[in-house]
Amino acid sequence: SQELEQSPQSLIVQEGKNLTINCTSSKTLYGLYWYKQKYGEGLIFLMMLQKGGEEKSHEKITAKLDEKKQQSSLHITASQPSHAGIYLCGADLPYAGGTSYGKLTFGQGTILTVHP
Amino acid sequence: NAGVMQNPRHLVRRRGQEARLRCSPMKGHSHVYWYRQLPEEGLKFMVYLQKENIIDESGMPKERFSAEFPKEGPSILRIQQVVRGDSAAYFCASSRTAGVAKNIQYFGAGTRLSVL
Repeated sequence: SQELEQSPQSLIVQEGKNLTINCTSSKTLYGLYWYKQKYGEGLIFLMMLQKGGEEKSHEKITAKLDEKKQQSSLHITASQPSHAGIYLCGADLPYAGGTSYGKLTFGQGTILTVHP
Repeated sequence: NAGVMQNPRHLVRRRGQEARLRCSPMKGHSHVYWYRQLPEEGLKFMVYLQKENIIDESGMPKERFSAEFPKEGPSILRIQQVVRGDSAAYFCASSRTAGVAKNIQYFGAGTRLSVL
């Protein structure tokens, strides 16, 4: 099973609609990173969250980390075709003997399609 | 300020040949990470390096794969005697610092390796 579970796996919305993507861990998240990937390209950093209850926004994208630091959500308001792509959450997870110090674990990604 | 540069973008090798993938980190970044993205498995950590040192290679296959980050020049991921199962997208990322919830990793566009 995945250490980080993303839901949904894919999402198709009409332009202008709001949407939410979730990222859930069975372990405490020390740091949570959201990235966006366009097909065939690299990952673009969106936001980093580290404190329980933290919320960050950039343009129409808002990301939150819950108080227990085991789940994060990414919310897009008034979606546009430019928001289409694959959204990935990555995390610093605890490992035996300490934390990873660099090793990010990623969810399997959420494919977002926005119809004009 | 150039981002993370990877080359080549596409690499075709026949079974048994060697593949060399190069990564130049962002200016001012001394931490380099390699990840592999397989179609059905998502993005997986391979190795974390600093200049002249391998810090964490827990994600590297035990045989045929090696990585280096010399004092001068790019980081190299080397795959000897490639097999069809090595076909994947290989991403390099770099960060300015390391540590829990500190190391925002910036990714290159990736090298897509195809093994015939």
